[in-house]
Amino acid sequence: SQTIHQWPATLVQPVGSPLSLECTVEGTSNPNLYWYRQAAGRGLQLLFYSVGIGQISSEVPQNLSASRPQDRQFILSSKKLLLSDSGFYLCAWGDTYTEAFFGQGTRLTVV
Amino acid sequence: SQQGEEDPQALSIQEGENATMNCSYKTSINNLQWYRQNSGRGLVHLILIRSNEREKHSGRLRVTLDTSKKSSSLLITASRAADTASYFCAPLLSGGGADGLTFGKGTHLIIQP
Repeated sequence: SQTIHQWPATLVQPVGSPLSLECTVEGTSNPNLYWYRQAAGRGLQLLFYSVGIGQISSEVPQNLSASRPQDRQFILSSKKLLLSDSGFYLCAWGDTYTEAFFGQGTRLTVV
Repeated sequence: SQQGEEDPQALSIQEGENATMNCSYKTSINNLQWYRQNSGRGLVHLILIRSNEREKHSGRLRVTLDTSKKSSSLLITASRAADTASYFCAPLLSGGGADGLTFGKGTHLIIQP
C-alpha cells in the first residue's frame, strides 16, 4: 500500500535561517507531488506541484522553492525564512482524478 | 484548478444531530471531492462525486452535486464527537488534474457531547 512520510512534525526556526522539509512516498511510482501551506485562519494554499523528477511548477511567488531530486522525494526549501513563512505545511501525492493523499504535516514557527 | 468555497465557516451542533455543509464553485468540473482535517493533521479523503452523478453515499455521509447551480453539499447523519473536524471541498476542473486540488477555508464542525 502507498504511504507518505513527512518530517519533521514541528520546527521552530529563527528569521533568516534556511529551511528544508522533506517528503517521501512509498508504494507508488511517478506520483504527482504537492506542497501546500495552511496559515492560521486561511485555507490551504497550493505552493508547488511536480509531475516528474526535476519538474516543478510554482503556484505563487514567494520566499520558498521546491525540488524533486528523486521520483518519490519532494523537498521544500528556503534560503532565508521570514516571519510570514510560519504555518502548517502539507505534502501530498495523488492522482487528482481520484483522490489526494496527505502527509501529517509540519508545523513551522519562525521566530 | 479552482477553489471551492465552503459554507458555513463554522458549525456547532449536538451529538446525534445531522450536519450539513455546502460548497460552491465557479466553472465546469470533472469531479468534486470532500476531505476532512482533524486539528493539526493532514487531510483525509472522504468521498468523490463525478460530474454526471447527483448523489452519493458512504456510511453516514451523503454528498449531493448540482452542476446547474455549481454547488455541492455534504451531510453527516447521526453526528458523533469524533466528527469534530474541518471539512473541505475540492472541485476538479474539467480537463484539469496534475496541477493539483485547491481548497478553501473549510467548514469547522464542532459536535457538542
